[in-house]
Amino acid sequence: DQQVKQNSPSLSVQEGRISILNCDYTNSMFDYFLWYKKYPAEGPTFLISISSIKDKNEDGRFTVFLNKSAKHLSLHIVPSQPGDSAVYFCAASAGWGGSQGNLIFGKGTKLSVKP
Amino acid sequence: DAGVIQSPRHEVTEMGQEVTLRCKPISGHDYLFWYRQTMMRGLELLIYFNNNVPIDDSGMPEDRFSAKMPNASFSTLKIQPSEPRDSAVYFCASRPRQNTEAFFGQGTRLTVV
Repeated sequence: DQQVKQNSPSLSVQEGRISILNCDYTNSMFDYFLWYKKYPAEGPTFLISISSIKDKNEDGRFTVFLNKSAKHLSLHIVPSQPGDSAVYFCAASAGWGGSQGNLIFGKGTKLSVKP
Repeated sequence: DAGVIQSPRHEVTEMGQEVTLRCKPISGHDYLFWYRQTMMRGLELLIYFNNNVPIDDSGMPEDRFSAKMPNASFSTLKIQPSEPRDSAVYFCASRPRQNTEAFFGQGTRLTVV
């Protein structure tokens, strides 16, 4: 039973265009969401996060949007660069309840940015 | 700080042998996580600790898997006996407190033949 779902295993975009990666979650106790980037043979590295009290957070070329009613978040990368080619993981955390402090990941989306 | 340190980076073992993976979290971090990455399941949470206490081990696949955190600076994940289907990359991560980012180690690539 997947609590965090990334339904697109892969995404290909042209350099300079927008990349939009999507993520859905099922657990209404999640209140903190993160995106990670992973290159082969390395550990995931943190990219950007958002608290459930916000609906948008921006950091340079990266923006995360949260729609709590739809239990959906997305990561926008504008403009996309070839160096952004990696696997992107969505993650969610519950700040209260029996599993507070946990950190659940989706299966990831492989982004390819073509020059 | 050197970040989260995992050892070994690679482990090849024969089916039935005991395997121990090690993790040193970032000093001062309250939470420690163990994940397994496979093509089928992505990054799967196995177990996590808060202040050295296991909070949720529901992700541990079988009794062959066990994890300990004897102190704030060290954790182990043990598989006994190991099986070929345990082959995967195992990651350790730590975070300072809840609702903060977690920092990952480089991972241990385990191959059971």
